[in-house]
Amino acid sequence: ILNVEQSPQSLHVQEGDSTNFTCSFPSSNFYALHWYRWETAKSPEALFVMTLNGDEKKKGRISATLNTKEGYSYLYIKGSQPEDSATYLCASPGGNWGSNYQLIWGAGTKLIIKP
Amino acid sequence: NAGVTQTPKFQVLKTGQSMTLQCAQDMNHEYMSWYRQDPGMGLRLIHYSVGAGITDQGEVPNGYNVSRSTTEDFPLRLLSAAPSQTSVYFCASSKTVNTEAFFGQGTRLTVV
Repeated sequence: ILNVEQSPQSLHVQEGDSTNFTCSFPSSNFYALHWYRWETAKSPEALFVMTLNGDEKKKGRISATLNTKEGYSYLYIKGSQPEDSATYLCASPGGNWGSNYQLIWGAGTKLIIKP
Repeated sequence: NAGVTQTPKFQVLKTGQSMTLQCAQDMNHEYMSWYRQDPGMGLRLIHYSVGAGITDQGEVPNGYNVSRSTTEDFPLRLLSAAPSQTSVYFCASSKTVNTEAFFGQGTRLTVV
């Protein structure tokens, strides 16, 4: 079964600390890896879409890396702030239905920043 | 700058009733999709479309129908609501499945 896995499920981080979490995905037939930020009572918003092995993307204090050969991506947050509290989702096209037109989503990492 | 417009935001249905969740985008995106989100689970794909006139099933299609008569609109129909369909539903659109997706505001559906 092809799945997108995220770890940890939840994370409590002190304000000002840096943190990172992982997304694992099938390395065969790779097309893209998406990261989204999802705040409570809002809709998911895209952070990054990465397609090339070794890709690194950055948006403010948030950055992501991609290793397509081993099937993982890391999301890093530097100097966590209370507004970073959210669930972070990753997704990759593919899945166990034989189609590359379907985004398969991880269950998310819930990040809680403690003041 | 509307983006993805999804309605309604909240809905309560009785078992057996039918309804349509509306989704419209003004970004000329070819790829549109419907998801449901249940506690403790990730987004699960219900149906998707790669362009007008083309739709296909996702992971959890049973009990739902879709159509894509125009590029802009992708409605989701619940044929005969069941309590198991109580969930939060999201519509999303993107240029392709490999580009960033834009989400609607979500619909919280309760079936009693």
